[in-house]
Amino acid sequence: DQQVKQNSPSLSVQEGRISILNCDYTNSMFDYFLWYKKYPAEGPTFLISISSIKDKNEDGRFTVFLNKSAKHLSLHIVPSQPGDSAVYFCVPGENQGGKLIFGQGTELSVKP
Amino acid sequence: ETGVTQTPRHLVMGMTNKKSLKCEQHLGHNAMYWYKQSAKKPLELMFVYSLEERVENNSVPSRFSPECPNSSHLFLHLHTLQPEDSALYLCASSQAAGGTGRYGELFFGEGSRLTVL
Repeated sequence: DQQVKQNSPSLSVQEGRISILNCDYTNSMFDYFLWYKKYPAEGPTFLISISSIKDKNEDGRFTVFLNKSAKHLSLHIVPSQPGDSAVYFCVPGENQGGKLIFGQGTELSVKP
Repeated sequence: ETGVTQTPRHLVMGMTNKKSLKCEQHLGHNAMYWYKQSAKKPLELMFVYSLEERVENNSVPSRFSPECPNSSHLFLHLHTLQPEDSALYLCASSQAAGGTGRYGELFFGEGSRLTVL
């Protein structure tokens, strides 16, 4: 039973354009959503988060949009840079005794 | 020393060997985790320790044995592993309370790449 799905295993974008990474979930009890970024041979690092009571959170080039009714969230990166090339994980969690559940990840490739 | 450090970075072992993975965090956190990342699969949570007490064991086979002697150190003892156990093993730490949730934001080490022959 996959509670979080990132249906696109890979995404290729031109430098300067917008990257949109999508995530769908099934558990309406999630209280917050994290995005982690992972480079090869390194552990994941926290990128940005959004609380379930919000529909948007912005941090520089990164914006997370949350649509609770559709159980869908997306990470927008604009403008995309070659250094953004990495695997991005959608990670929902619950405040009450929940554990962080990692999606399958989307590998983003930003071409110069 | 900063962050979360894992040793060894690479380990090759036979199915009859006994080895251990070590994780150390220098962030003052009180929760530590072992995750497994196999090829083409999501990160799988294996174990969670909060205040040195195991609070989560995700149906992991007994050939994996965790140990948390204090809040800064976490070990994963390995014995009689199978080739399908070959994977990247990631250690993480967090504050158990506060932050963005009960387990808070995770800080990961760089991982230990395990190959079982």
